[in-house]
Amino acid sequence: SQTIHQWPATLVQPVGSPLSLECTVEGTSNPNLYWYRQAAGRGLQLLFYSVGIGQISSEVPQNLSASRPQDRQFILSSKKLLLSDSGFYLCAWRDLAVSSYNEQFFGPGTRLTVL
Amino acid sequence: GQQVMQIPQYQHVQEGEDFTTYCNSSTTLSNIQWYKQRPGGHPVFLIQLVKSGEVKKQKRLTFQFGEAKKNSSLHITATQTTDVGTYFCAGMSASNYQLIWGAGTKLIIKP
Repeated sequence: SQTIHQWPATLVQPVGSPLSLECTVEGTSNPNLYWYRQAAGRGLQLLFYSVGIGQISSEVPQNLSASRPQDRQFILSSKKLLLSDSGFYLCAWRDLAVSSYNEQFFGPGTRLTVL
Repeated sequence: GQQVMQIPQYQHVQEGEDFTTYCNSSTTLSNIQWYKQRPGGHPVFLIQLVKSGEVKKQKRLTFQFGEAKKNSSLHITATQTTDVGTYFCAGMSASNYQLIWGAGTKLIIKP
């Protein structure tokens, strides 16, 4: 079976500090991977997606970046956090080899508060 | 750009009342998916609709996909406390196969 891990679960960081959030998927190969951000009480904003190692597409220009150094590892980074970066960060994966539906499976998320 | 509008943003109901959320896309969709996010949790896939005019049921939940494949609805009959959460639609663009998310409808049960 497939599982997705995200850490840390919660994070409090000062403005201007760096950020690194990690997501790993088990039980699937070459999945599509996604990073979303959800502001409090709001919908999902797609930040980045990746269809393979080293392949990153950015949906929203901002001070965040993403990398996919391994097939099942997706990392979200920032060199200097802004107050507006606070939110709930969700990693998701999709693999048509697993399911004929196109659904995305979400990790437990990281709640980031920038002070 | 392509958008999926979802209304209402919130719906307060008494337990036992019905709940409906609507999604409308600016472009034709290849399919539409529905997800539920419990308070403090992550979105969980509920169902996918693919065919024009399709209707699917899951117990008290009824999902519909419009004839033009541009709109969809989720109807919950006789809401229960376990239904509390935010319901999202996500339409897959027929042109580039990317998911376009609605803003979600939060179901709140009045005390």
